[in-house]
Amino acid sequence: DAGITQSPRHKVTETGTPVTLRCHQTENHRYMYWYRQDPGHGLRLIHYSYGVKDTDKGEVSDGYSVSRSKTEDFLLTLESATSSQTSVYFCAISELTGAEAFFGQGTRLTVV
Amino acid sequence: QQQVKQSPQSLIVQKGGISIINCAYENTAFDYFPWYQQFPGKGPALLIAIRPDVSEKKEGRFTISFNKSAKQFSLHIMDSQPGDSATYFCAGGNNAGNMLTFGGGTRLMVKP
Repeated sequence: DAGITQSPRHKVTETGTPVTLRCHQTENHRYMYWYRQDPGHGLRLIHYSYGVKDTDKGEVSDGYSVSRSKTEDFLLTLESATSSQTSVYFCAISELTGAEAFFGQGTRLTVV
Repeated sequence: QQQVKQSPQSLIVQKGGISIINCAYENTAFDYFPWYQQFPGKGPALLIAIRPDVSEKKEGRFTISFNKSAKQFSLHIMDSQPGDSATYFCAGGNNAGNMLTFGGGTRLMVKP
């Protein structure tokens, strides 16, 4: 596996609480992404980053924010978790947007 | 807005048979079309990819066929094996800033 570490791997949280997921890379890739995976929807892009402090929204960004203060770390925050945010979240990295993306192992988040 | 449509959602094939998964895309700016393979509990991993300057790419038992005029591409798995049982995702993107957009996924089961 490429050097991508997601933490935590599993989390159960209550509705209305803030949650932060962390992605750490050791590959020094420029682009970092957060996707969510849900049955029938494939992988949908939440937010991405193209450099330190440079981020932009993806297809399903409502209710999520991100930060990238260092090249190697990309944080995803659910400001006030809702049950619809129960999902598996994947971090990915790539050198270019149109090139191979490497995925982390995923974080399974359950909002109760 | 689903820019990449994938079918079928699930597929059952006998060992030794041919598995075929189809994708159609809308964004004509895409110039990179990868297929990812995902095993349960793991992140997706690149299987094979094609660029539109060729109509076919083969790597071992895996072949991508690409039809630019129809905006369609497909994955063929020859001599399918039980170890190929996984979820497969197609995607489209380019180096000009179009992030990878994924299809909805196909769950393949190869029966012994």
